Amino acid sequence: AQSVTQLGSHVSVSEGALVLLRCNYSSSVPPYLFWYVQYPNQGLQLLLKYTSAATLVKGINGFEAEFKKSETSFHLTKPSAHMSDAAEYFCAVSEGIGGSYIPTFGRGTSLIVHP
Amino acid sequence: DGGITQSPKYLFRKEGQNVTLSCEQNLNHDAMYWYRQDPGQGLRLIYYSQIVNDFQKGDIAEGYSVSREKKESFPLTVTSAQKNPTAFYLCASSITIQGENEQYFGPGTRLTVT
Repeated sequence: AQSVTQLGSHVSVSEGALVLLRCNYSSSVPPYLFWYVQYPNQGLQLLLKYTSAATLVKGINGFEAEFKKSETSFHLTKPSAHMSDAAEYFCAVSEGIGGSYIPTFGRGTSLIVHP
Repeated sequence: DGGITQSPKYLFRKEGQNVTLSCEQNLNHDAMYWYRQDPGQGLRLIYYSQIVNDFQKGDIAEGYSVSREKKESFPLTVTSAQKNPTAFYLCASSITIQGENEQYFGPGTRLTVT
């Protein structure tokens, strides 16, 4: 069984500060891991994904995430926050068992960026 | 442009009425999904379909029904049996290539039932 925990329903940073959004997962097999961003009243947009190639994954808008198997973590980071980064962020895990790729999503973290 | 369309963006219904949410994709994806989103609860899977004329219940299928008569279309009906239908509904599709799979999401439909 797979599950995702996102620590902190809200994260608040100042513009220009480091962004760190935490995601821990559990999976019985090597997982696929994803980060999505959602702006108000819109669908989800893929930021980046881990599929067992490089452990450090670079995504769009300057975000990156590092897969750490020993810690079962896939935290999302960005060196310098912009006002436009304010949104809801979702971490997801997918095991791909039996050809079925049904991801499990975390509850989301709302990123608030202060001027 | 390829993508997923959901219509309408906002939908209002009276309690006791069935309502159907549209989802169309022109990405040629085999799999399609319906999620429900409530504040603080993330995305919960309602139904999914991996191939035409076949679909499976997700975690919260009660009070919902779907059909998959065409590859491009996966409509969701919210029936009067759904106790708390007011929510944001997201449709997604996906394709698996060489073991890699990722979902593409539509813009969502916000359903309000009063």
